[in-house]
Amino acid sequence: KAGVTQTPRYLIKTRGQQVTLSCSPISGHRSVSWYQQTPGQGLQFLFEYFSETQRNKGNFPGRFSGRQFSNSRSEMNVSTLELGDSALYLCASSLDSVINTEAFFGQGTRLTVV
Amino acid sequence: AQSVSQHNHHVILSEAASLELGCNYSYGGTVNLFWYVQYPGQHLQLLLKYFSGDPLVKGIKGFEAEFIKSKFSFNLRKPSVQWSDTAEYFCAVAAYKAAGNKLTFGGGTRVLVKP
Repeated sequence: KAGVTQTPRYLIKTRGQQVTLSCSPISGHRSVSWYQQTPGQGLQFLFEYFSETQRNKGNFPGRFSGRQFSNSRSEMNVSTLELGDSALYLCASSLDSVINTEAFFGQGTRLTVV
Repeated sequence: AQSVSQHNHHVILSEAASLELGCNYSYGGTVNLFWYVQYPGQHLQLLLKYFSGDPLVKGIKGFEAEFIKSKFSFNLRKPSVQWSDTAEYFCAVAAYKAAGNKLTFGGGTRVLVKP
């Protein structure tokens, strides 16, 4: 079966711009989580969506937002980009909660803010 | 808040050597535990998981991990590594019914296996 698809794979943006990243989960998976991966902070949880509802949110500023559509596809948006937002953004899909089911990760979107 | 620490940031070893990666977490309640691996240029994938039962769990590619509740540890082991085990390894914890539905990851351990 197809894996988790994230688009685009690479992005270069300028400070102050906004960006939208997309994630298509595995068919049948209703939970989508987003993580930020940086060399300094490692993998940090951004938010999780389940059946179009945000179930949990990490400690990120309000510039980071997301949504999930009825087909479980998810988008995350970062507004007013800062240099520190440069990172690999990973999407993970799971059947239900990642607490008790395996999370499948996409290849990520590498965002560079200049 | 739950946290996960991995003791070694970098490990270098030769093929056929044994590998043990440490992972400790801080959370007093029930947890589910995971080890994920990220091979160079590839996505994160699950190596093994522990939810309940036998604290010694076996995963893919000959990896195993032992959950020691009293030590809040979930160490990963492999008796004999191969060059293809070169990767970054992440321990992750999910605290059931607490802190929401999320995985908290350790900082990762980069493992380099010399041929």
